[in-house]
Amino acid sequence: DQQVKQNSPSLSVQEGRISILNCDYTNSMFDYFLWYKKYPAEGPTFLISISSIKDKNEDGRFTVFLNKSAKHLSLHIVPSQPGDSAVYFCAASNNAGGTSYGKLTFGQGTILTVHP
Amino acid sequence: EAGVAQSPRYKIIEKRQSVAFWCNPISGHATLYWYQQILGQGPKLLIQFQNNGVVDDSQLPKDRFSAERLKGVDSTLKIQPAKLEDSAVYLCASSPARAGRQETQYFGPGTRLLVL
Repeated sequence: DQQVKQNSPSLSVQEGRISILNCDYTNSMFDYFLWYKKYPAEGPTFLISISSIKDKNEDGRFTVFLNKSAKHLSLHIVPSQPGDSAVYFCAASNNAGGTSYGKLTFGQGTILTVHP
Repeated sequence: EAGVAQSPRYKIIEKRQSVAFWCNPISGHATLYWYQQILGQGPKLLIQFQNNGVVDDSQLPKDRFSAERLKGVDSTLKIQPAKLEDSAVYLCASSPARAGRQETQYFGPGTRLLVL
């Protein structure tokens, strides 16, 4: 059962334009969402996160939007740069009740390519 | 601050052989995670330690996989005997995670295992 899904395996964008990466989830108990970025031969690195009590979080060129009713989140990168080319993973966790230690469920990833 | 260290970086073995991976988390991080990432998929949690105790090993194939975290610092993950489907990248991550609070997980570079 894939609880977190990234339905687009790849995305190609021109430098300077907006990149929009999408993620859907099925488990309504998830209350925290994260995006990780991964370069080849490296481990994933944390990019940005959002709590379920918010619908938007912004950090520089990166903005994450959460639509709880649709169980959907998206990552916007504006403007896109060639150095943003990487695999982007969406992840979710359930921290309700104070018993969780941050277990993450990941999506399959989306390969972003930003062309100069 | 030193990151999460993993060794070896690459390992090639034949099926039915055994293999072990080592992880040294970021100093002071109480929580340690082992993930399996199969090509084209997102990381999947195998086991999670809080100090030297197991918090979650529900997705660990216990008939062939084992892990330990002695003294609450370094950890080893072992596969015995290996199967072809164990070919994957094994990622170690650590965080200062505490109950009910989402902390960033920091990943190591991973060990790429190929089972022939």
